[in-house]
Amino acid sequence: QQQVKQSPQSLIVQKGGISIINCAYENTAFDYFPWYQQFPGKGPALLIAIRPDVSEKKEGRFTISFNKSAKQFSLHIMDSQPGDSATYFCAALNYGGSQGNLIFGKGTKLSVKP
Amino acid sequence: DTAVSQTPKYLVTQMGNDKSIKCEQNLGHDTMYWYKQDSKKFLKIMFSYNNKELIINETVPNRFSPKSPDKAHLNLHINSLELGDSAVYFCASSPGAGGGYGYTFGSGTRLTVV
Repeated sequence: QQQVKQSPQSLIVQKGGISIINCAYENTAFDYFPWYQQFPGKGPALLIAIRPDVSEKKEGRFTISFNKSAKQFSLHIMDSQPGDSATYFCAALNYGGSQGNLIFGKGTKLSVKP
Repeated sequence: DTAVSQTPKYLVTQMGNDKSIKCEQNLGHDTMYWYKQDSKKFLKIMFSYNNKELIINETVPNRFSPKSPDKAHLNLHINSLELGDSAVYFCASSPGAGGGYGYTFGSGTRLTVV
């Protein structure tokens, strides 16, 4: 049973456009929702994260929108650049849980065309 | 100075062999993890290790065994390698037993079993 569902699987956006990646979760005990960015041959790197007590968090061109009642959250990349081309993973964590293991979505491969 | 380092970066071996992957973190984190990334990029937790407490994902075959000589190191030993073990293995660390914030990942070890 996949606890974090991510869509789309792949995304092509023109330079300057907005990239939107969506995730949905099932476990209401999750209380920390990060997004990771992975370039080929590299490990995932933390991009931005949100706790469920806020509905939006913005860092530069990256924004997380969070809908607790719908159990959904999304990543918006404004003014997308070719350098943003990477695989993006949403994840969820029960921070207060005994295990605290990050559960990842299946990833979205983003290609930003110049 | 690399925060989480893994060796080797590439590992090609024959079926039935036994191999090890080493991981070291210099972040002073308390918890370390091993994740497996399959050919479809899906990241799945294998183990978490905190203060000598090992939490094993129940789906991991017992041919896989983590070994931690100290808080900064978590090595992965794999016995009787199978074709299906081919994947990229990532070591990660986080500040505390609850997962904390900011998992830091190594750059991965690409294991190919032939």
